[in-house]
Amino acid sequence: EVQLVESGGGLMQPGGSLRLSCAASGFTVSSNYMSWVRQAPGKGLEWVSVIYSGGSTYYADSVKGRFTISRDNSKNTLYLQMSSLRADDTAVYYCARDGLNEYYGMDVWGQGTTVTVSS
Amino acid sequence: DIQMTQSPSSLSASVGDRVTITCRASQSTSSYLNWYQQKPGKAPKLLIYAASSLLRGVPSRFSGSGSGTEFTLTISSLQPEDFATYYCQQSYSTPWTFGQGTQVEIK
Repeated sequence: EVQLVESGGGLMQPGGSLRLSCAASGFTVSSNYMSWVRQAPGKGLEWVSVIYSGGSTYYADSVKGRFTISRDNSKNTLYLQMSSLRADDTAVYYCARDGLNEYYGMDVWGQGTTVTVSS
Repeated sequence: DIQMTQSPSSLSASVGDRVTITCRASQSTSSYLNWYQQKPGKAPKLLIYAASSLLRGVPSRFSGSGSGTEFTLTISSLQPEDFATYYCQQSYSTPWTFGQGTQVEIK
């Protein structure tokens, strides 16, 4: 079964760091584009970052320089390292399979993991 | 960055109604436009990719059209399970961007 399972969310203080994990099964992470998308409470979807199958990475301006997307091919797992956390980073974070290229959309999503940044 | 604007932001409709949601891009996205459905407390689901390609398993009452800067999602006959929020998203250039969402409610 094709599946993504996120973990690593929690309550963090402003300025702190956190690493989210997204374990994939049924397909190979490194063969696909993989994205992180977040949703603040009561708000719409916000794309956060993508890693291409070739390894290139891109970020939303709101997280550039603070978040890092990566993958571990041996574990078939995607990561999002988050640092210098701010209150407006509070959201449900989803990982998603983003296709073989830009044409295919995000067709597999995890269940989401909640990050709360508060003092 | 490419800005995506959906209209309307919300609508009320009855079961059986034909519903159309519009998504406009601030610059051309060619056909790199995707549509998602999200229900409360759940992850989004991809419905349409590449502007008009129906994802396998998605009911045929959903259809997408458009290219360039104007796109539409149409539900030909609204069903009870279709009441949800719908988002468009461009994947033409990074940063990918989503529309603000259209909430489809029961009349």
